[in-house]
Amino acid sequence: GENVEQHPSTLSVQEGDSAVIKCTYSDSASNYFPWYKQELGKRPQLIIDIRSNVGEKKDQRIAVTLNKTAKHFSLHITETQPEDSAVYFCAASSNTGTASKLTFGTGTRLQVTL
Amino acid sequence: DTGVSQNPRHKITKRGQNVTFRCDPISEHNRLYWYRQTLGQGPEFLTYFQNEAQLEKSRLLSDRFSAERPKGSFSTLEIQRTEQGDSAMYLCASSLGVLRTDTQYFGPGTRLTVL
Repeated sequence: GENVEQHPSTLSVQEGDSAVIKCTYSDSASNYFPWYKQELGKRPQLIIDIRSNVGEKKDQRIAVTLNKTAKHFSLHITETQPEDSAVYFCAASSNTGTASKLTFGTGTRLQVTL
Repeated sequence: DTGVSQNPRHKITKRGQNVTFRCDPISEHNRLYWYRQTLGQGPEFLTYFQNEAQLEKSRLLSDRFSAERPKGSFSTLEIQRTEQGDSAMYLCASSLGVLRTDTQYFGPGTRLTVL
């Protein structure tokens, strides 16, 4: 089955700096890679996703890059703000068979300091 | 709020008791998923439904766990003879069901504590 590894587990940046979180996956059939933000006690919320037919996607201060050959994808947050502080999860999904499940990484706790 | 809703939000039970959680997906969403999240970990897939059909179950879903989605609307997850290891956040998600990998929207979860 799919295995997703995520690094780093914690990340502290100063407000205004950039943050980068990296994930690797094992199943070459995976073709959908969402990123979720989870604040303490809240539900995971989708912030951006990418499908395997593109290499990069950007939405304002957030961007995701995908390297299918190396089987890794990354989240980039620019001009970080205190409200970006949360736990971020990457995930991978495959459309093989009937499976539509997401396999998540272990999360990155991002702390944006003033 | 038209998002995914879950009830109850918190459940404390004694070991050996049965518990049942409910999930109401976003209306018009055909797919419904159950995940379990323990402290410091990402959500782990348990099972999912396409309308009323349960299409996949994880090996994490032991015989003590059962999920239903009658009429393809809300879903229930029951845990029989709870164990302390069942303590976790149980998350429900739903998606449109147009693509095999369409966006999943999560509910707020039910936090289960087994004493």
